[in-house]
Amino acid sequence: GAVVSQHPSRVICKSGTSVKIECRSLDFQATTMFWYRQFPKQSLMLMATSNEGSKATYEQGVEKDKFLINHASLTLSTLTVTSAHPEDSSFYICSATPGPGNTEAFFGQGTRLTVV
Amino acid sequence: EDKVVQSPLSLVVHEGDTVTLNCSYEVTNFRSLLWYKQEKKAPTFLFMLTSSGIEKKSGRLSSILDKKELSSILNITATQTGDSAIYLCAADRYNFNKFYFGSGTKLNVKP
Repeated sequence: GAVVSQHPSRVICKSGTSVKIECRSLDFQATTMFWYRQFPKQSLMLMATSNEGSKATYEQGVEKDKFLINHASLTLSTLTVTSAHPEDSSFYICSATPGPGNTEAFFGQGTRLTVV
Repeated sequence: EDKVVQSPLSLVVHEGDTVTLNCSYEVTNFRSLLWYKQEKKAPTFLFMLTSSGIEKKSGRLSSILDKKELSSILNITATQTGDSAIYLCAADRYNFNKFYFGSGTKLNVKP
């Protein structure tokens, strides 16, 4: 199956700093990538959808200035959590779909962000 | 409002039991329903269902979609402790490329 690599798997940062999370599709071109956040014992909450070369579409309630998403190429999307606060601590997961006709989504390994 | 609802929220069984997990959806222009298994980290893909009434199987797992009832079930036979996980279903729409996830069913298989 297709492989999506997410990095880092764990990161601890201080309040007020920014953290960048990378999501790469290793063996396919990802037209669309999704970023999710997962709180403990809850399902995945879609934060934003990004299409290569265009601005990300954010879900209602997600601050676009705080969660910067860049999808610069067909194999890489990044999520930057700016001015992180402890309440941003969470599990962030990306997923990617190979193309418009294929709805199967492949997930990265996730990133556990802890803001202290 | 588009939504996906899973039941039960949690389930405890013993090894060897058969379990059925439910997923219902209300999604405009529904295209497909996907099942994922999530253990400690990211979800792993199990099935994608687009046609009603056609069962998909993979080992002890099987799933079927019922478009009339707007629902899907995931069956696991002869459960093993390694089946313990959260099972997520997600639905997507035509021309929208966005996945709606249910809250998941947490399955605990005891020895």
